[in-house]
Amino acid sequence: QKEVEQNSGPLSVPEGAIASLNCTYSDRGSQSFFWYRQYSGKSPELIMFIYSNGDKEDGRFTAQLNKASQYVSLLIRDSQPSDSATYLCAVRDEGAQKLVFGQGTRLTINP
Amino acid sequence: EAQVTQNPRYLITVTGKKLTVTCSQNMNHEYMSWYRQDPGLGLRQIYYSMNVEVTDKGDVPEGYKVSRKEKRNFPLILESPSPNQTSLYFCASGVLTYEQYFGPGTRLTVT
Repeated sequence: QKEVEQNSGPLSVPEGAIASLNCTYSDRGSQSFFWYRQYSGKSPELIMFIYSNGDKEDGRFTAQLNKASQYVSLLIRDSQPSDSATYLCAVRDEGAQKLVFGQGTRLTINP
Repeated sequence: EAQVTQNPRYLITVTGKKLTVTCSQNMNHEYMSWYRQDPGLGLRQIYYSMNVEVTDKGDVPEGYKVSRKEKRNFPLILESPSPNQTSLYFCASGVLTYEQYFGPGTRLTVT
């Protein structure tokens, strides 16, 4: 069973600081990686995807992928209280036509 | 507006009473999927569909049925619901199994 691991948190970060969320995956053949944000009681919302090694930036968000070490991370710069949510890491299972989700990391941004 | 819709959003029912949760998307996506989300267990895939008339089991298909007669619709059917199917259900659609976009969720309680 292919696995995606995340620290469940809670991760507490002061407003304006950088929040760093990490995710490791078991399948070395994985090619596609996604970060979803889920507010309490709401549906997951896709915020970033990354397919190549290195960094991908979108506004205050940066996804980092290191295939050799099998981890993907999400950095949130200038964290805002509205960033408080659970962040789900997902990895595409190339053979099974699905995404494998981690348990999620609960992030709290303190004003 | 591009979206995935689900109905009903909330449902309380009794054991054994057949129910259907509808899912519809207006993005012309080939891929659609159903997930359930439970505390401590994360998002688990129930069924998915690669296109019209093509469906397959996910990780937790027992007790569920699906059909895909039209590209935009992917209903989830519980023929004889049981209390262990009490959960938060999400429908998602996407281009193949890459970026997936989630519906608002259906909170189901089976008593």
